[in-house]
Amino acid sequence: EVQLVESGGGSVQSGGSLRLSCEASGFSVEMSYVTWVRQAPGQGLEWVSLIYSGGTTYYAASVKGRFTISRDTSKNTVYLQMNSLRREDTAVYYCARDMGYDSGYTRLDYWGQGTLVSVSS
Amino acid sequence: DIQMTQSPSSMSASVGDRVTITCRSSYNISDYLNWYQQKPGKAPNLLLYAASSLQSGVPSRFSGRMSGTDFTLTIASLQPEDFVTYYCQQSYTTPYTFGQGTKVEIK
Repeated sequence: EVQLVESGGGSVQSGGSLRLSCEASGFSVEMSYVTWVRQAPGQGLEWVSLIYSGGTTYYAASVKGRFTISRDTSKNTVYLQMNSLRREDTAVYYCARDMGYDSGYTRLDYWGQGTLVSVSS
Repeated sequence: DIQMTQSPSSMSASVGDRVTITCRSSYNISDYLNWYQQKPGKAPNLLLYAASSLQSGVPSRFSGRMSGTDFTLTIASLQPEDFVTYYCQQSYTTPYTFGQGTKVEIK
């Protein structure tokens, strides 16, 4: 059974850092694509970052240069290192499996439960 | 970035109604379009991908079509559990942008 479990969220002051973890089971993060999506309170979904099976990474403009996606294949876990956090980064952060590696059609078929990041000034 | 514009942002309907939600892309994305359903407090759930392909396990009352840069999600007969929020997402190029969402409410 495919599962993703996020952790690492919490409260931090503006300018601070957090590292989110996304532990996967039922599939290999080394062979798959994994995406981070966030949702600010009461708002819509925002695509944040993606790591391909080959290790290539992509970022939204709003986080580029501040966030870094990476993975540890031995732990089957994907990380999102978030630095220089701003109030507007406050959101629930979801990780999701991206099935784009399978057919070329990116789609997020399994999601974690989300972890809340709250940035205060 | 490719902009995805959903309409309406909210709508009221009754159980059994046929409803259609529209998503327009600012660029020709071919059929690289996904639809998700999100219940309050939960992660989104994939409904359709490649504009019209039904994700495994999703009821057949959900369907998708495309015409140029316009995409539609149709729910053939609304069920009580369908009164939630729907999002489109383009999967043509990064950043894989989402529409702003459509909330379907009970009339």
